[in-house]
Amino acid sequence: RKEVEQDPGPFNVPEGATVAFNCTYSNSASQSFFWYRQDCRKEPKLLMSVYSSGNEDGRFTAQLNRASQYISLLIRDSKLSDSATYLCVVNTGGGNKLTFGTGTQLKVEL
Amino acid sequence: EPEVTQTPSHQVTQMGQEVILRCVPISNHLYFYWYRQILGQKVEFLVSFYNNEISEKSEIFDDQFSVERPDGSNFTLKIRSTKLEDSAMYFCASRAGTGSTFGPGTRLLVL
Repeated sequence: RKEVEQDPGPFNVPEGATVAFNCTYSNSASQSFFWYRQDCRKEPKLLMSVYSSGNEDGRFTAQLNRASQYISLLIRDSKLSDSATYLCVVNTGGGNKLTFGTGTQLKVEL
Repeated sequence: EPEVTQTPSHQVTQMGQEVILRCVPISNHLYFYWYRQILGQKVEFLVSFYNNEISEKSEIFDDQFSVERPDGSNFTLKIRSTKLEDSAMYFCASRAGTGSTFGPGTRLLVL
């Protein structure tokens, strides 16, 4: 089983749509969880941390289910500028290395 | 907003040559990392560095790789004898609290 697993997509959605991405992780000892965004040939950029209670940042909502080892990201009212690859990222262990999923590609269209 | 910088942005080298990739982490960050991303693949952890020593390294980070913090600002990754399969984007990252900030990367091409 992959350490962090995501549907690669692509998800093609119209502007204004709501889209959800899911991610599962295999290591139950994982401590911190993040969603990063990566534009083509650019560096990953932190979108938001994910907390057990769920958290929201504007149009973005992240959820964590530790029992199921499952993380989600919901994007409401999609914009063209949301087109990117969304990376599910897990921090495991004291060294705080990040383990990345392969990413889910989102294309928002007119 | 503070940022991580990396030089060079692109490097082309011949197989067997040594390369040094340079990074300037964010000034008040204490944890430093190197990651790589082979074209079309996921981002992979190479090494973490804290308190002037390696705190963790991956299987990829073999004897051909080394890291150094030669002064108070720079953080370098050296590949002693490059192989074709070392061709990738190399990202430096630094962290203070949770969540790492990544540099723009160095695209390394080994011919």
